[in-house]
Amino acid sequence: GESVGLHLPTLSVQEGDNSIINCAYSNSASDYFIWYKQESGKGPQFIIDIRSNMDKRQGQRVTVLLNKTVKHLSLQIAATQPGDSAVYFCAENIAGANSKLTFGKGITLSVRP
Amino acid sequence: DGGITQSPKYLFRKEGQNVTLSCEQNLNHDAMYWYRQDPGQGLRLIYYSQIVNDFQKGDIAEGYSVSREKKESFPLTVTSAQKNPTAFYLCASSEDRGTEAFFGQGTRLTVV
Repeated sequence: GESVGLHLPTLSVQEGDNSIINCAYSNSASDYFIWYKQESGKGPQFIIDIRSNMDKRQGQRVTVLLNKTVKHLSLQIAATQPGDSAVYFCAENIAGANSKLTFGKGITLSVRP
Repeated sequence: DGGITQSPKYLFRKEGQNVTLSCEQNLNHDAMYWYRQDPGQGLRLIYYSQIVNDFQKGDIAEGYSVSREKKESFPLTVTSAQKNPTAFYLCASSEDRGTEAFFGQGTRLTVV
């Protein structure tokens, strides 16, 4: 089975509010995590990443938090905009000779005007 | 512009036929990947290659084949052995294993 999962399949937020998207992972050997955004009919786009030696990383309007104790990853989007509506995936990389990215099922973010 | 190009964008195949999806990158990346995406699902890894002339099976390799004769190219063949090939196929590349992957725009394959 997949080692990366998401708590909620859909998230609806009001424009201007902050969004929080959560992700759980089960492999303690994972050392690198990425959040991707995918718009309909397109390939995923990189949003932000974080390595396991960090617990927080900030970008423009986005923050990723990593809690290794409970194996939890979250993506916070500040002042959510209509253009943020998309499917969001977390991905983890398990360190090792054949390390590769494993993706969760995704969560749909819908922004209400 | 640097990037990953997948072609074609839409592809139709008759049952029993093999079909090859193209993926080219000019990012000088060593690692390349193929993922399959079904509606409402995440990305499942089919095959990946970390260096030219070498590739490994992912989680759902049955019914698929790949080659990596050139650094910039990683074509995927969907064979007649793949029983449910209708899906959205995504190619990606990264500088090294375990780093950010850049994706192409995908090929939507439909079996008719």
